[in-house]
Amino acid sequence: SQTIHQWPATLVQPVGSPLSLECTVEGTSNPNLYWYRQAAGRGLQLLFYSVGIGQISSEVPQNLSASRPQDRQFILSSKKLLLSDSGFYLCAWSSGGSGANVLTFGAGSRLTVL
Amino acid sequence: AQSVTQPDIHITVSEGASLELRCNYSYGATPYLFWYVQSPGQGLQLLLKYFSGDTLVQGIKGFEAEFKRSQSSFNLRKPSVHWSDAAEYFCARGTASKLTFGTGTRLQVTL
Repeated sequence: SQTIHQWPATLVQPVGSPLSLECTVEGTSNPNLYWYRQAAGRGLQLLFYSVGIGQISSEVPQNLSASRPQDRQFILSSKKLLLSDSGFYLCAWSSGGSGANVLTFGAGSRLTVL
Repeated sequence: AQSVTQPDIHITVSEGASLELRCNYSYGATPYLFWYVQSPGQGLQLLLKYFSGDTLVQGIKGFEAEFKRSQSSFNLRKPSVHWSDAAEYFCARGTASKLTFGTGTRLQVTL
């Protein structure tokens, strides 16, 4: 069966420090991978998605970047964190490229920038 | 842009009462619609989905949703709410490779 792992679960970082959140999927190949951010009262905002290695689509201009160095690995990064980067970050995967595909989510990473 | 609207930010119901959470989507040819649930500090779990066919879909945990094209709605229902249903509920629409989510409805259940 497929599983998705996301870490770290909790992170407290000072403003201006770098960030790296990692997500891996097991039990499937060539998944679509996603990073969402959830801020209080704002629902889920799609940040990046990837349909293959090295293919990254950015949905929102921001202080963050994403990379997919391996088929089942998706990394969210920042060189210098801002206070506004605080939030709950969710990684997800799906098995194909249509709107009918179900997303399966990781447990999330809570980032607090101080 | 295609969007999803959940007009109720917060709903409180008594345990055993019925529940309806509203969801409206912007017009589109073939709506793929989903409901997810999120417990505090957790990821999202799929409750049910609608792609085509029967407009009343059944999901896990006793939830159901009805797709109404004329009203551009996909409301989530449960006949009798349990205290463990307290969570945040998200409606979503699938297009191409992505899901667009509503802002969520937080459900509180009183005993």
